Amino acid sequence: DTGVSQDPRHKITKRGQNVTFRCDPISEHNRLYWYRQTLGQGPEFLTYFQNEAQLEKSRLLSDRFSAERPKGSFSTLEIQRTEQGDSAMYLCASSLASSGASGNTIYFGEGSWLTVV
Amino acid sequence: AQSVTQLGSHVSVSEGALVLLRCNYSSSVPPYLFWYVQYPNQGLQLLLKYTSAATLVKGINGFEAEFKKSETSFHLTKPSAHMSDAAEYFCAVSGRGSSNTGKLIFGQGTTLQVKP
Repeated sequence: DTGVSQDPRHKITKRGQNVTFRCDPISEHNRLYWYRQTLGQGPEFLTYFQNEAQLEKSRLLSDRFSAERPKGSFSTLEIQRTEQGDSAMYLCASSLASSGASGNTIYFGEGSWLTVV
Repeated sequence: AQSVTQLGSHVSVSEGALVLLRCNYSSSVPPYLFWYVQYPNQGLQLLLKYTSAATLVKGINGFEAEFKKSETSFHLTKPSAHMSDAAEYFCAVSGRGSSNTGKLIFGQGTTLQVKP
């Protein structure tokens, strides 16, 4: 399978603990995105990488959140001192930057569910 | 700023009936528009996208959408609903051009229920 891969798929953690999610994008894709989705809502943009550079961060990404993409391949999203409000599905997506008329199709992974108890 | 409004958080149709899911967008520049489908506990799958080639876009699973600039709409349709179409559907907008990040702005989603 050459799609976007996320790990773990499910994580239950106690409030105050740190959690880390990993995303492996489609291999030739140079753009990588993280989104957060809560029940009954559409995905909300968190952050974006082009290769290894983090070029945009949403205001939703508080200082407890940090994302990295070393070497421009896989990415990690770490949440420190988790709070119950962090409970959500965290979606990773990737794309190949294109300036042509075909646009920039973004492919999503299956998501990582976080439950903070 | 770009935004998307999906009219109707829940739509219920009978199997074999027409499916119509509504999406209106707001964008200061010509956008790219997308429809994604999400099945329970899964990620999002691209149904179709509009990139300014043809205003009527055909996607997977028999879905299509028509871009109407005058109405700022991009409604999703399918002539005959199937039970397997029951899912959450998201409309999304992004900017265009080589300097654009390509990030998607999503609507709130519409849950499609298909009754036997």
